[in-house]
Amino acid sequence: DVKVTQSSRYLVKRTGEKVFLECVQDMDHENMFWYRQDPGLGLRLIYFSYDVKMKEKGDIPEGYSVSREKKERFSLILESASTNQTSMYLCASSFVPVSGELFFGEGSRLTVL
Amino acid sequence: GQQLNQSPQSMFIQEGEDVSMNCTSSSIFNTWLWYKQDPGEGPVLLIALYKAGELTSNGRLTAQFGITRKDSFLNISASIPSDVGIYFCAGQLRETSGSRLTFGEGTQLTVNP
Repeated sequence: DVKVTQSSRYLVKRTGEKVFLECVQDMDHENMFWYRQDPGLGLRLIYFSYDVKMKEKGDIPEGYSVSREKKERFSLILESASTNQTSMYLCASSFVPVSGELFFGEGSRLTVL
Repeated sequence: GQQLNQSPQSMFIQEGEDVSMNCTSSSIFNTWLWYKQDPGEGPVLLIALYKAGELTSNGRLTAQFGITRKDSFLNISASIPSDVGIYFCAGQLRETSGSRLTFGEGTQLTVNP
């Protein structure tokens, strides 16, 4: 059974803190993605990666960075968290580049105070 | 970036009723997908459409790829309580975006028993 695991379901952080969101997939997928989900805005792509050590900006990369040192792991980093980064963060992976099917994790709900 | 408009934003229906939702785009796609997000979970793929005019069914779900390639529709027949969740459309234009998907804002479906 395919599995995308996000390290934390719920986090509460203070403004200015550094935040790490971890994502691991066990399907040997090349592609991994980080999305942000906000009510009324759908899913917006933050960053994605087609291969180890490779990353590309999505639609809303400002305030975020990513790291992919191993194929199965894709990390999202908030260098200095701000209140407008309070959101649900979803990690996803895919194998076939053109199929469009993404496998999502359960999400990490981040609150920045 | 590309914009997807999904409607309605929310629906409150009685068990047994049929449901229709749609997505329109300002530009063309060559893949349309429909995902469902159960409460507290990540989105899961329901139906994928790869050809303009294509009509595809998956149980009580039927989706269509609009002939103009700028829209898609999802119908759910004889709704049941477990249909509750958020439904997202997503479009992909492989020539320019590779694996990237553009998501709609989502339709929140509530089914009253």
